[in-house]
Amino acid sequence: NAGVTQTPKFQVLKTGQSMTLQCAQDMNHNSMYWYRQDPGMGLRLIYYSASEGTTDKGEVPNGYNVSRLNKREFSLRLESAAPSQTSVYFCASRLQGVNSPLHFGNGTRLTVT
Amino acid sequence: AQTVTQSQPEMSVQEAETVTLSCTYDTSESNYYLFWYKQPPSRQMILVIRQEAYKQQNATENRFSVNFQKAAKSFSLKISDSQLGDTAMYFCAFMKQVPDKLIFGTGTRLQVFP
Repeated sequence: NAGVTQTPKFQVLKTGQSMTLQCAQDMNHNSMYWYRQDPGMGLRLIYYSASEGTTDKGEVPNGYNVSRLNKREFSLRLESAAPSQTSVYFCASRLQGVNSPLHFGNGTRLTVT
Repeated sequence: AQTVTQSQPEMSVQEAETVTLSCTYDTSESNYYLFWYKQPPSRQMILVIRQEAYKQQNATENRFSVNFQKAAKSFSLKISDSQLGDTAMYFCAFMKQVPDKLIFGTGTRLQVFP
């Protein structure tokens, strides 16, 4: 039972480079999320997807794009990385309805120099 | 917009003692969910406890319990018989029913001393 799988675990980018963080879940969840975690700021929602083909901005969407091509996968793209995007990124998923919690991946530590 | 406030950046407790972490939130919704997540040094996010706003009874999970005060918009976490393995960051989180976006507080770092 893999749960939520994020790749890569670590990444170093130079300013201006692009990259895509991958996330996949095998729990047949509807909702998927991307968060960033910075010291003293908790986890902040970047983008959210309630279902395949739909996405919605969160608290800090600037500088990011997302893609939800199917139910399993939700990718986060940085088109032109900036040092301010140095952070730990978490993907999560949830089964809609009742009070089911979010299930998180193990995170990606991204450093932009 | 909903906000979640954790006013205690750091706390410490001795092993076997009880500690309470505070959380307040702001919302105009009547139906919503509240969660406490734990993040140990491994960085993994682990669900500790959850509460539905329509339930007046406070949730309990073994040594973890909450004090949910809906009118005061308060959702504190009590850890009884603290153990060294409870050392972690603790995040309070709020979620509306629709859309089901989870909003986190800034966290409380808990250190349990022997």
